[in-house]
Amino acid sequence: GAGVSQSPSNKVTEKGKDVELRCDPISGHTALYWYRQSLGQGLEFLIYFQGNSAPDKSGLPSDRFSAERTGGSVSTLTIQRTQQEDSAVYLCASSLATRTAYGTQYFGPGTRLTVL
Amino acid sequence: KNQVEQSPQSLIILEGKNCTLQCNYTVSPFSNLRWYKQDTGRGPVSLTIMTFSENTKSNGRYTATLDADTKQSSLHITASQLSDSASYICVVSEKGGKLIFGQGTELSVKP
Repeated sequence: GAGVSQSPSNKVTEKGKDVELRCDPISGHTALYWYRQSLGQGLEFLIYFQGNSAPDKSGLPSDRFSAERTGGSVSTLTIQRTQQEDSAVYLCASSLATRTAYGTQYFGPGTRLTVL
Repeated sequence: KNQVEQSPQSLIILEGKNCTLQCNYTVSPFSNLRWYKQDTGRGPVSLTIMTFSENTKSNGRYTATLDADTKQSSLHITASQLSDSASYICVVSEKGGKLIFGQGTELSVKP
């Protein structure tokens, strides 16, 4: 496929469990973003990757959240010891942005996480 | 198919000039429409949010309009500044919470 893909599309987990969310960006896109949208809230920025490095981790809400990107492609967002307030739609986007150019962001369909 | 289309894809204007960005959507049922400003490598900043019954909403030099009948929204920037250079993203929410994203308009403000 030509677009950004995310998996799983839906994840239901119990409080205290760890979850991993995956994002496959568009091939060749160097920039990758993670966001989340909680019910009734706006889009919340989590982390940005340029290649494999993350110059801006300021949006991660707590140390239970971490993300990595390998080979400049696939990224995983890991949430440890999930809490009910982590329930949200987690969105990934990629773009051709470099450090000096903005680039159009292409969003994936999101992963809906529900923590019981 | 629910879609959000933004135009133009990119825009270059001189500092001090005004500009208008467009967002057309086919999302139904509609809940709300948001405009975001995003600098590269940074998180998006919400500019405005409008529900079905709202026609205009302002935030400083930014004014958003919504015509729910024609399913069109615009973001007008007055007296542009160099710091307005960014991507502007239109996001429409379906009732039920699903988000439909526009691809954004890249605005460059030149001195």
